[in-house]
Amino acid sequence: NAGVTQTPKFQVLKTGQSMTLQCAQDMNHEYMSWYRQDPGMGLRLIHYSVGAGITDQGEVPNGYNVSRSTTEDFPLRLLSAAPSQTSVYFCASSYQPSDSYNEQFFGPGTRLTVL
Amino acid sequence: RKEVEQDPGPFNVPEGATVAFNCTYSNSASQSFFWYRQDCRKEPKLLMSVYSSGNEDGRFTAQLNRASQYISLLIRDSKLSDSATYLCVVNRGGGGADGLTFGKGTHLIIQP
Repeated sequence: NAGVTQTPKFQVLKTGQSMTLQCAQDMNHEYMSWYRQDPGMGLRLIHYSVGAGITDQGEVPNGYNVSRSTTEDFPLRLLSAAPSQTSVYFCASSYQPSDSYNEQFFGPGTRLTVL
Repeated sequence: RKEVEQDPGPFNVPEGATVAFNCTYSNSASQSFFWYRQDCRKEPKLLMSVYSSGNEDGRFTAQLNRASQYISLLIRDSKLSDSATYLCVVNRGGGGADGLTFGKGTHLIIQP
């Protein structure tokens, strides 16, 4: 049971380039989400999904796209990278909750630098 | 008032001491509360949920005060391995990923 995996661990992009951050989980979780973490800021939600085929925007969605074709995978696409997107990106998953006490399981993160 | 506020620290505490820190939240409709631990350059991991009656897990005790809208974390007999950033997390409702608000974290350093 690998939990939540993310690739790559590190990435350097030039302004304007596009790329996809990969996220997969093997716990059969319905909920998946993407966060970014910047120095001095809490984790901020970018996009989330409540199940295959369903996605929605979080707090800071601009410049990012997601899709959820399977339960396991939830890739995050940067359309045209900007220096403001330099950050650490975490993918998380959780059970579809029957109550509100629902643990988020995080991947190890992707450290992205945009030059 | 920010949604979830924490003292960023750092809290420098000698090994074996007791340390406590609080977190305040602004949304009175918040339904569930958590403390996550994040080690340097690692992902956050759930330390403990915080229930209305307060709860304990070994050396860790969490309390919730709904009237004053704060939660607290107490660490007894602190260990070097407790050095980390502690994130206060509040769920506005429903339990879904979109309802979570993370504090910026409190940095704890346990000194030998």
